[in-house]
Amino acid sequence: EPEVTQTPSHQVTQMGQEVILRCVPISNHLYFYWYRQILGQKVEFLVSFYNNEISEKSEIFDDQFSVERPDGSNFTLKIRSTKLEDSAMYFCASTGEVRTDTQYFGPGTRLTVL
Amino acid sequence: QKEVEQNSGPLSVPEGAIASLNCTYSDRGSQSFFWYRQYSGKSPELIMSIYSNGDKEDGRFTAQLNKASQYVSLLIRDSQPSDSATYLCAVNWNAGNNRKLIWGLGTSLAVNP
Repeated sequence: EPEVTQTPSHQVTQMGQEVILRCVPISNHLYFYWYRQILGQKVEFLVSFYNNEISEKSEIFDDQFSVERPDGSNFTLKIRSTKLEDSAMYFCASTGEVRTDTQYFGPGTRLTVL
Repeated sequence: QKEVEQNSGPLSVPEGAIASLNCTYSDRGSQSFFWYRQYSGKSPELIMSIYSNGDKEDGRFTAQLNKASQYVSLLIRDSQPSDSATYLCAVNWNAGNNRKLIWGLGTSLAVNP
């Protein structure tokens, strides 16, 4: 069964460094998302991506963040100049089901900023 | 501000019992409703989706939606210890190509053998 994959599973970085989180959505899906979940808190929407451009972004998704679909299969989230409060689980999701909007999630990347 | 509210629990039920999980949402424009299960340290796993008022059954799971009351619930019949997890309610605001999910905090369920 097709699934969303994410790498790395765990990323440790120093404050101020840049990180790139990678996702491979399900191959025939059209809509892509990044969410994050700080330990003990709600899952939060960051950004959605469709037709090679951002379709919506949350207040969290400021200039520190960027997304890219560089090669038609990968979908990346870049966080520039990481902060302690960026420590969280980051989930990629995709959907190809326009009518029902079911989103399928990858296993997540745990980002730890020291 | 669109909100999704859940009782955080923990909800504790004996093995074999029915577990009832509830969720309310703030925006009447909501169109799609989802229940995800999340084990500690793992990603959300889709359990059920529901789009129309009424009940939808899938195995031991039944989702119930009442749009007039802005309420969605999940019933788990014959609860098993493996059902112990956090259950997340998520609601989709479908506006054009903007299909983000808004999430509740989740209800922690413990099924005791």
